Amino acid sequence: EIVLTQSPGTLSLSPGERATLSCRASQSVSSSYLAWYQQKPGQAPRLLIYGASSRATGIPDRFSGSGSGTDFTLTISRLEPEDFAVYYCQQYGSSVYTFGQGTKLEIK
Amino acid sequence: QVQLQESGPGLVKPSQTLSLTCTVSGGSISSGDYYWSWIRQPPGKGLEWIGYIYYSGSTYYNPSLKSRVTISVDTSKNQFSLKLSSVTAADTAVYYCARDDYPKGDAFDIWGQGTMVTVSS
Repeated sequence: EIVLTQSPGTLSLSPGERATLSCRASQSVSSSYLAWYQQKPGQAPRLLIYGASSRATGIPDRFSGSGSGTDFTLTISRLEPEDFAVYYCQQYGSSVYTFGQGTKLEIK
Repeated sequence: QVQLQESGPGLVKPSQTLSLTCTVSGGSISSGDYYWSWIRQPPGKGLEWIGYIYYSGSTYYNPSLKSRVTISVDTSKNQFSLKLSSVTAADTAVYYCARDDYPKGDAFDIWGQGTMVTVSS
């Protein structure tokens, strides 16, 4: 099973700043099968990025994904108040899906 | 617009079987591009994939839960269901059903709102 480790655990930033979230895999992940989600309290996760770098429908272009192999990054170019939430990466490989433990993005 | 809705008991006794159903509306569960998954989230913790089913009935389960999980589909009702046997307090969680979009690299593009299930006597 591929383990995904996200860093940092908590990121404290101000609106307007740039956020960089990391997701590292215990073994190589196909870029086609790496996704990012946003989850707000009391809500289901929302798909942001699939295929490592493709934005899902309706996702603003301030969200971008990059990376390959074992290192992937979610970048939010200029934080809006509604972006403060928990973010998860997820991979699919060998018929098993795994999620990272999450990064909490909080207002500084 | 496709929507998913979970339903089932919110309280289950230890050692009993947890049963939930996900109803798909706004689209057909028999669409060949999608798999249909169950995912759970214990209070204050992260996400754990439980298993998926294809409309044909083929399934795959998380190896860590495989011995206790059964997922089934009823295409006539546009529903799929989860059964988790021999539950303990560790199975207390919000349970989500989600659509796995195969063309999008098996990302979960649509989620139900989630249903909280508590295991307690």
